Amino acid sequence: DAGVTQSPTHLIKTRGQQVTLRCSPKSGHDTVSWYQQALGQGPQFIFQYYEEEERQRGNFPDRFSGHQFPNYSSELNVNALLLGDSALYLCASTSYRAGNTEAFFGQGTRLTVV
Amino acid sequence: EDKVVQSPLSLVVHEGDTVTLNCSYEVTNFRSLLWYKQEKKAPTFLFMLTSSGIEKKSGRLSSILDKKELFSILNITATQTGDSAVYLCAVGGGGKLIFGQGTELSVKP
Repeated sequence: DAGVTQSPTHLIKTRGQQVTLRCSPKSGHDTVSWYQQALGQGPQFIFQYYEEEERQRGNFPDRFSGHQFPNYSSELNVNALLLGDSALYLCASTSYRAGNTEAFFGQGTRLTVV
Repeated sequence: EDKVVQSPLSLVVHEGDTVTLNCSYEVTNFRSLLWYKQEKKAPTFLFMLTSSGIEKKSGRLSSILDKKELFSILNITATQTGDSAVYLCAVGGGGKLIFGQGTELSVKP
């Protein structure tokens, strides 16, 4: 049973560029949430996708956008990258139909903006 | 504004010691409190608590929730070097998780 998988694992981008991160949820899960974790901090909620729609959004600018596909996988896009966007980006999956039990996390994508 | 506060932020102990990690919260639409262990990247699930006063145990780890006083504790007995990690507390409310800053635990041989 595959857990949550994210790609790529590491990424280096230049300020002003755009980046796309990918996530496949755990088998049987239908909801994907994205989190940003800066060094030494707890993860911060970016947004959540269910049924291919953004259901909730945290306090992040519109430069952060996402998408969910019919197979429940998801993408996180960040435009006009800033140095402050450097962080570990975590994807978590849950099952809305099962009542949103514990969230399982992927290994994350380490994004460095130079 | 919803918030989750963990204490202490860091802790250094020796193998065999017992530690208690604290988590307090102020979150609207509280549904559950979760503890995670983060060693390198992916937080790994430890416990989910929804009811007050019911202790959950897994080996040397245990946790309890007090919904009246809005806090939870995570206990680790007979610590081992493999317990060294960041321990994250998160409160589930309205579908999202609100995390604390984490407690960095270092267990020395």
